[in-house]
Amino acid sequence: GDSVTQTEGLVTLTEGLPVMLNCTYQTIYSNPFLFWYVQHLNESPRLLLKSFTDNKRTEHQGFHATLHKSSSSFHLQKSSAQLSDSALYYCALSDRSGSWQLIFGSGTQLTVMP
Amino acid sequence: GGIITQTPKFLIGQEGQKLTLKCQQNFNHDTMYWYRQDSGKGLRLIYYSITENDLQKGDLSEGYDASREKKSSFSLTVTSAQKNEMAVFLCASSKPRDWGSSYEQYFGPGTRLTVL
Repeated sequence: GDSVTQTEGLVTLTEGLPVMLNCTYQTIYSNPFLFWYVQHLNESPRLLLKSFTDNKRTEHQGFHATLHKSSSSFHLQKSSAQLSDSALYYCALSDRSGSWQLIFGSGTQLTVMP
Repeated sequence: GGIITQTPKFLIGQEGQKLTLKCQQNFNHDTMYWYRQDSGKGLRLIYYSITENDLQKGDLSEGYDASREKKSSFSLTVTSAQKNEMAVFLCASSKPRDWGSSYEQYFGPGTRLTVL
């Protein structure tokens, strides 16, 4: 079945350094939708980025990601981390063939230190 | 725009008790979902509903019932609360399946369950 892998459970870095959170996926369908959700403490997850176009960079709120179907990846990046970026980040997968579900990764907790 | 509301915000129950959580959305979305979030375990799908009166089991449906009374509401029942259980239950909804819809889900604020 479909799956999403986020290899880092915890990422800690210093303010101002670049952020990269890894996301790879597995699906039998050729037209996946990929998403990044962010969940701040005591809040619910909200959509940060989405893409279904191969090799096209998508950006929002300083974060960016590029869907690479050749490597089944959708890594989340930011050039300079801010304290307010500390949150739980989920990568998720859907497909356009009919599945109603989002397949979520296990999440990466990002902590940005001063 | 729209909003998802979940009631109650906090739910404290006793072991063995049947507990009901409610979710309402005014996005006019067809599909609604219930997830459970435990610390360190991500989001796990309990039930989802494609349309009114439809119910589909997720990976974590055992121990739960669900009801989609109308398009805007989706209820979840914990059939027998487990002692020392603590989790957040999140309701979500998504757009109808049609060309151009990317199926992103919008989440409610959650219900925090504690079982004594």
